[in-house]
Amino acid sequence: DTGVSQDPRHKITKRGQNVTFRCDPISEHNRLYWYRQTLGQGPEFLTYFQNEAQLEKSRLLSDRFSAERPKGSFSTLEIQRTEQGDSAMYLCASSLEGGLAGRNEQFFGPGTRLTVL
Amino acid sequence: ILNVEQSPQSLHVQEGDSTNFTCSFPSSNFYALHWYRWETAKSPEALFVMTLNGDEKKKGRISATLNTKEGYSYLYIKGSQPEDSATYLCAFAPYNFNKFYFGSGTKLNVKP
Repeated sequence: DTGVSQDPRHKITKRGQNVTFRCDPISEHNRLYWYRQTLGQGPEFLTYFQNEAQLEKSRLLSDRFSAERPKGSFSTLEIQRTEQGDSAMYLCASSLEGGLAGRNEQFFGPGTRLTVL
Repeated sequence: ILNVEQSPQSLHVQEGDSTNFTCSFPSSNFYALHWYRWETAKSPEALFVMTLNGDEKKKGRISATLNTKEGYSYLYIKGSQPEDSATYLCAFAPYNFNKFYFGSGTKLNVKP
């Protein structure tokens, strides 16, 4: 399978716990994006990487959120001290960008659904 | 924050009906408009990338049009089938922003 994969697909945790999600992009893609989708809303941009460099973070990404993409391959998104408001679908996408981004398709993974009790 | 709106929020049609949805986006700083189909428990799947005013694209029974001057795109499905049931998302890519702004989607349910 050469698509974008995410792990786990579902995560249930108690408030205050830390959680970590993983995204494996399409191997030759240099850009990797994280989005969050809450009920009734479209996906909202959280952050993106160009290779291993994190180039932009949304103000939605509080200090409790951290993302990494070591070696420019897979990425992890960690949420510390989870709150009930963090319950959402976390989507990862990747793309191949040669310059200005926006016209190339972003390929999405199936998402990780987080439930914070 | 850029406002991207989709209507209707949900749509229930009978098999064989034709239907259409709207995506509205800012008319300034336009770079691209993407349409995705998202079936439950699957990954969002790209349908179209639209870049030029007046673009019309077609894939089977699904087609889309683009008006960048007034800031809207229509998605049409001809002869809806139950397998078309999904949420249809549009994503606006402004020039030099390097990210997408999604609408909240139109959830389509096609009854056999």
